[in-house]
Amino acid sequence: QTVVTQEPSFSVSPGGTVTLTCGLSSASVSTNNYPCWYQQAPGQTPRTLIYSTNTRSSGVPDRFSGSILGNKAALTITGAQADDESDYYCVLFVGSGIWVFGGGTKLTVL
Amino acid sequence: QLQLQESGPGLVKPSETLSLTCTVSGGSISSSSYYWGWIRQPPGKGLEYIGIVYYTGSTYYNPSLKSRVTFSVDTSKNQFSLKVSSVTAADTAVYYCARLLSDSSKWDWGQGTLVTVSS
Repeated sequence: QTVVTQEPSFSVSPGGTVTLTCGLSSASVSTNNYPCWYQQAPGQTPRTLIYSTNTRSSGVPDRFSGSILGNKAALTITGAQADDESDYYCVLFVGSGIWVFGGGTKLTVL
Repeated sequence: QLQLQESGPGLVKPSETLSLTCTVSGGSISSSSYYWGWIRQPPGKGLEYIGIVYYTGSTYYNPSLKSRVTFSVDTSKNQFSLKVSSVTAADTAVYYCARLLSDSSKWDWGQGTLVTVSS
């Protein structure tokens, strides 16, 4: 069973920079896993931030960026704002039509 | 503009079958560029991939749910559907239908519908 790992929680100061990561239990993450990142506020539908590793979804500010860092996918938020406080999920394609979500990272801005 | 709308019973009894339909507007379910999928989220928990279906009927299911899940496509109604059999309280979740662009991870989501499994 493939497991996608994310930090359970992270905190960042207003105006600061934070990098959240998304890893695979059994392999390195590459662009072939098409990493995708979502932001979900409480009670809301997930909002797509980044897809296909580093493509910003329409309307997403450029302070959100995606990349591969080492053997993981990464979401970097620069100039964090109070309303960035949310849950962040990644999802990876692992082959044969199967996608696996990470457990999510709860980001606190304080 | 694409819209995905989930519909179906909000309450299902244990051991019965959960059935949901996603109606697609602003796009054709017969497009060769997309897959159509289901994702769920139990209350207070993370997201879980259920699977995807192509307009031809080809299906890809999460291995952990494969034995209980069935997808179907109705191109005449521009709809696709999900059935989960033998449900338990663990199947209580918000169910989202979604569209996936081929060769990418660009997903477009419906608003989601809460299904509660309870007697």
